[in-house]
Amino acid sequence: AQKITQTQPGMFVQEKEAVTLDCTYDTSDQSYGLFWYKQPSSGEMIFLIYQGSYDEQNATEGRYSLNFQKARKSANLVISASQLGDSAMYFCAMREGRAGGFKTIFGAGTRLFVKA
Amino acid sequence: NAGVTQTPKFHILKIGQSMTLQCTQDMNHNYMYWYRQDPGMGLKLIYYSVGAGITDKGEVPNGYNVSRSTTEDFPLRLELAAPSQTSVYFCASSRTGRIDEQFFGPGTRLTVL
Repeated sequence: AQKITQTQPGMFVQEKEAVTLDCTYDTSDQSYGLFWYKQPSSGEMIFLIYQGSYDEQNATEGRYSLNFQKARKSANLVISASQLGDSAMYFCAMREGRAGGFKTIFGAGTRLFVKA
Repeated sequence: NAGVTQTPKFHILKIGQSMTLQCTQDMNHNYMYWYRQDPGMGLKLIYYSVGAGITDKGEVPNGYNVSRSTTEDFPLRLELAAPSQTSVYFCASSRTGRIDEQFFGPGTRLTVL
């Protein structure tokens, strides 16, 4: 069965430093996508980055990169040069392909606090 | 493009009442989703649709119904509301079923008293 695990309920990071948010997943499907979303205190969901299961290179989007280790079933988000505006909840999500019915499941989230 | 719009933004419902949460997208996306987010938790999939006329259950479908008569609209119906349905409801859409990001609406904060 699909499962997403985010083991860090909360994380602190000093402004301008890098931080890694952990995500592990479980699926029996060979074809799946992994996503990270940011949810600031205002409540909206903001897409950050995507990694496909067949992508050989780690995804990068500006200050965000995804450390994809397929054999370990992990998809950690790395935020470089943290900014105060990065303080938010971060959710890891997985969507399986046709075999999984295109369902998306989300982890419980990690709350990131950026300190000045 | 307005993206994904949801109405209402807030609502208080009495136990046993019914209501429909509206969701509309103007991006011509085939895939649409309804999630609920309980306080301090992640999102749980209620129902989803892969196209007009096609819907399927997610993780937590009990107490809800959906329909998808057009590509644009995907309303969520709550029948006989219960306090356990107090939550923030997000509608989302995506162009494809696997690789594309989901675009989320602003959410509906629903309280059942």
